[in-house]
Amino acid sequence: GENVEQHPSTLSVQEGDSAVIKCTYSDSASNYFPWYKQELGKRPQLIIDIRSNVGEKKDQRIAVTLNKTAKHFSLHITETQPEDSAVYFCAASNYPGNTGKLIFGQGTTLQVKP
Amino acid sequence: DAGVIQSPRHEVTEMGQEVTLRCKPISGHDYLFWYRQTMMRGLELLIYFNNNVPIDDSGMPEDRFSAKMPNASFSTLKIQPSEPRDSAVYFCASSFGGRADTQYFGPGTRLTVL
Repeated sequence: GENVEQHPSTLSVQEGDSAVIKCTYSDSASNYFPWYKQELGKRPQLIIDIRSNVGEKKDQRIAVTLNKTAKHFSLHITETQPEDSAVYFCAASNYPGNTGKLIFGQGTTLQVKP
Repeated sequence: DAGVIQSPRHEVTEMGQEVTLRCKPISGHDYLFWYRQTMMRGLELLIYFNNNVPIDDSGMPEDRFSAKMPNASFSTLKIQPSEPRDSAVYFCASSFGGRADTQYFGPGTRLTVL
């Protein structure tokens, strides 16, 4: 069935360094790839997303890249700050084929050390 | 603009008791999703609705779980009888049909079954 694999499960970086989280999806019909940030005890919040007609999208310090041929996409955070520490989830969907259903990765715990 | 509203925020109950979780989606959103989050299993989709109709309930763990959406602004997830292994954070999310896969999460209900 549909599956999204996310790596690494934990990531520790020094403040100011870059962080990269990678996800691989199995359903070649997937066309939407959001990233959620979840701080401790809080809800997952959508931080950036990309659709399959675009290869890269940036929003200030975060960017997402998509490689449809290899079926993987990545989140890039530059100039990391302590407030970036959180769990990050990638997801994929095939809309309207799967009517909005998101398949989530297992999450990456990012720790930014001051 | 209010986001997704969930109640209660915390629920502690004893094994065997009935638990009802409530959700109010964002006004105008016609998709509603119920998720369960645990350390072991991550974010699991339990069920989702479109225009108040259940579309996919394949994630509902067993007959003890049921969900309803009597109108566009209210949904419930009921567990009866509850068991300790149901302890988790339950999130509700909503989205709009034009971009059904862009989901916005509520604050969650932390359920503890003793």
